[in-house]
Amino acid sequence: TQLLEQSPQFLSIQEGENLTVYCNSSSVFSSLQWYRQEPGEGPVLLVTVVTGGEVKKLKRLTFQFGDARKDSSLHITAAQPGDTGLYLCVQNAGNMLTFGGGTRLMVKP
Amino acid sequence: DAGITQSPRYKITETGRQVTLMCHQTWSHSYMFWYRQDLGHGLRLIYYSAAADITDKGEVPDGYVVSRSKTENFPLTLESATRSQTSVYFCASSEGRSNQPQHFGDGTRLSIL
Repeated sequence: TQLLEQSPQFLSIQEGENLTVYCNSSSVFSSLQWYRQEPGEGPVLLVTVVTGGEVKKLKRLTFQFGDARKDSSLHITAAQPGDTGLYLCVQNAGNMLTFGGGTRLMVKP
Repeated sequence: DAGITQSPRYKITETGRQVTLMCHQTWSHSYMFWYRQDLGHGLRLIYYSAAADITDKGEVPDGYVVSRSKTENFPLTLESATRSQTSVYFCASSEGRSNQPQHFGDGTRLSIL
């Protein structure tokens, strides 16, 4: 099982600020997914990245997959209170998900 | 409405009791999963099922039993609950193809006194 390390674990920022969270592994990912979990709900898939160097954008969220496919980042521009939640990087290998510990983000109005 | 539903949302029970958590999905997804989420451990897979009557252990299966007699239902039973099983439990389903999303229920918060 591949260990996924996420940083930071906690992040509290003001509305309008930018932020980046990271996901790292000592091994190569076949692919990587990012999920967001809001309080009292289950995780919801945001994006899947497959190719090294790939960049995907989802409105104010930008996801990048490292060239060597061992790391990924999520950048949020002009964060809003609705972005508050737990961001999880996840390896999806043959339908088996391995979760990172998550970054808990709070965006204050 | 289509989706995945878990019941109950909250449950309090005592050590040694049997408790069953229910999960129902309306997509006819072949795969279903049970996870537990704990502070400091994140989400960990308990059991999964690739199809009706096919189940397999995940990372933390001890103390849990599952069954899948129908595609749409995947109940999780704690045969003799222990305090260490206090957790938030999530059920999920997926189509089964590579990189397809898993769709999660809203969870059951279980407290064992």
